[in-house]
Amino acid sequence: EVQLVESGGGLVQPGGALRLSCVASGFTFNNYAMSWVRQAPGRGLEWVSSISGSGGSAYYADSVRDRLTISRDNSKNTLYLQMNSLRAEDTAVYYCAKDLRPGTTGWFDPWGQGTLVTVSS
Amino acid sequence: DIQMTQSPSSLSASVEDRVTITCRASQGISSWLAWYQQKPGKAPKLLIYGASSLQSGVPSRFSGSGSGTDFTLTISSLQPEDFATYYCQQAATFPLTFGGGTKVEIK
Repeated sequence: EVQLVESGGGLVQPGGALRLSCVASGFTFNNYAMSWVRQAPGRGLEWVSSISGSGGSAYYADSVRDRLTISRDNSKNTLYLQMNSLRAEDTAVYYCAKDLRPGTTGWFDPWGQGTLVTVSS
Repeated sequence: DIQMTQSPSSLSASVEDRVTITCRASQGISSWLAWYQQKPGKAPKLLIYGASSLQSGVPSRFSGSGSGTDFTLTISSLQPEDFATYYCQQAATFPLTFGGGTKVEIK
């Protein structure tokens, strides 16, 4: 069974930093692109970033480029999101998600349970 | 960026009703479209990918159609467990984008 377990969320002050982790199991991790998608309270889904299976290619939403960095450690089956210069508008539940098929399809299945990031003073 | 517009934003329906949700892309995306279901406090769940392919384990009352810019999600006979919010998403090009969501409520 595929499982994705996020951690690292919490309360951080504006301008602060946080690193999210997503530990994967139940599939060959390095064969699949992985992504982060967020959802602000009471709002819709927003794609944040994706990374290829090898880690050689990464993609970002304009709203987070240069502040958030996606990475992966295939030896640890773990996906990361380094979040710097955080703003109030980054407050959201952050989900990690696996690509549906090997490679990069941009279709997400499954998703983790999410971790809440709150940016507030 | 490709904008995804869903309609309606919410609807009320009864059990066993046929429900249709539409999604329009601001430019052609071929069949690079997915539909997700999200229940309160839960992660989204993939229902349909490739515009019309049913994800494994998803009931056959869900179906998707369309290509290019106009897409439809249909629930042929609404069940109590289907009351949720539904999102479309384009995967044709980065940045990936979602529609605003359609909340399906009990009439």
